[in-house]
Amino acid sequence: EDKVVQSPLSLVVHEGDTVTLNCSYEVTNFRSLLWYKQEKKAPTFLFMLTSSGIEKKSGRLSSILDKKELSSILNITATQTGDSAIYLCAVEGVSGGSNYKLTFGKGTLLTVNP
Amino acid sequence: DTEVTQTPKHLVMGMTNKKSLKCEQHMGHRAMYWYKQKAKKPPELMFVYSYEKLSINESVPSRFSPECPNSSLLNLHLHALQPEDSALYLCASSQDTPHDSWATQYFGPGTRLTVL
Repeated sequence: EDKVVQSPLSLVVHEGDTVTLNCSYEVTNFRSLLWYKQEKKAPTFLFMLTSSGIEKKSGRLSSILDKKELSSILNITATQTGDSAIYLCAVEGVSGGSNYKLTFGKGTLLTVNP
Repeated sequence: DTEVTQTPKHLVMGMTNKKSLKCEQHMGHRAMYWYKQKAKKPPELMFVYSYEKLSINESVPSRFSPECPNSSLLNLHLHALQPEDSALYLCASSQDTPHDSWATQYFGPGTRLTVL
């Protein structure tokens, strides 16, 4: 069965801190790894990673995939209170026959205090 | 138009009521999804429609009945729900169908459902 494990489950930091969120996976026929940010409504897409070692950046957020270690990290530098959210990692693999499935981790709850 | 819309935003219903949730996208996406999300949990997949046909049903109880009238619309009909069915119901769509790829699903804002 496909598995996506995120750590830590929750994290509390102060504004200005840098945080690193982890995601590890066991997936049949890996296709891509996705990071989402979820506040009160639906998750919003952050990054899609398919190749090992290539960092993707968007402002203060960056992410990288390590296919040898079957893991990914999401870094947030100079955190702000608006970064407080649940960060979801999802991995695309194969589920039954040739269908692909998006398997989510449980998420990391990040709280950034002023 | 690059968004998925859902109505209503909030719904309160009794256990004997019949109601429907609606989802719409005009991006020409070929797959549409219903997810259920409980507080502080990731979304759980319920149904997938590919090319307007139900392709995946993740063992969802029959009190939830999906319908895809056309390529832009997805409904979820609700009947005889239980209080534990209270959750955020999310619709998503993607250009690729699950047969090709699940990645890059675009989510709607969700319907917050409360069952009394």
